[in-house]
Amino acid sequence: GAGVSQTPSNKVTEKGKYVELRCDPISGHTALYWYRQSLGQGPEFLIYFQGTGAADDSGLPNDRFFAVRPEGSVSTLKIQRTERGDSAVYLCASSFGGAYLYNEQFFGPGTRLTVL
Amino acid sequence: GQSLEQPSEVTAVEGAIVQINCTYQTSGFYGLSWYQQHDGGAPTFLSYNALDGLEETGRFSSFLSRSDSYGYLLLQELQMKDSASYFCAGGDTGFQKLVFGTGTRLLVSP
Repeated sequence: GAGVSQTPSNKVTEKGKYVELRCDPISGHTALYWYRQSLGQGPEFLIYFQGTGAADDSGLPNDRFFAVRPEGSVSTLKIQRTERGDSAVYLCASSFGGAYLYNEQFFGPGTRLTVL
Repeated sequence: GQSLEQPSEVTAVEGAIVQINCTYQTSGFYGLSWYQQHDGGAPTFLSYNALDGLEETGRFSSFLSRSDSYGYLLLQELQMKDSASYFCAGGDTGFQKLVFGTGTRLLVSP
């Protein structure tokens, strides 16, 4: 079956602009995660959804970042008033969620965001 | 705070065995998982340890000692395709929120 997909694969924008990054999780996965990865570093947790609700948004760096998952499937990460420091690869992952001992996270290819 | 430290780079030759260590300072980690990431690619799951001890998955094994806040990934019979970055990641219950380590770049030479 299809894996996690993310669009666009690359996004170049100017400082101060608004951007939206989209994630399509694996069908049937109830949990969805957003991470941010800067060059040479590990992914940094941003937010995690269980179904439609944000179960943990403790990683969002500030109120310019917002994410939604209105129907419990596709998610959109929204960044307002972008800054050069927001440049990174934004990774989305999904998993079965629920009360399992371990929920393997399946990652998408990422969206490379460049803020000029 | 939560932090997981790994060596920045490890080099080895084809056919060898290599161990990538991960030490962590945190409270609340339920266990440790490992991900592989090739340049420009997505992280892919390798292994996880929810309990102390060794878990074996083919050429890869992972070990966890929660009392020592330490784990490692062991790669055997190295192949050129194993050249990649490897991340340990601490997880809460159910591994719903992963905190990734600093990453280790593995270079395998002929």
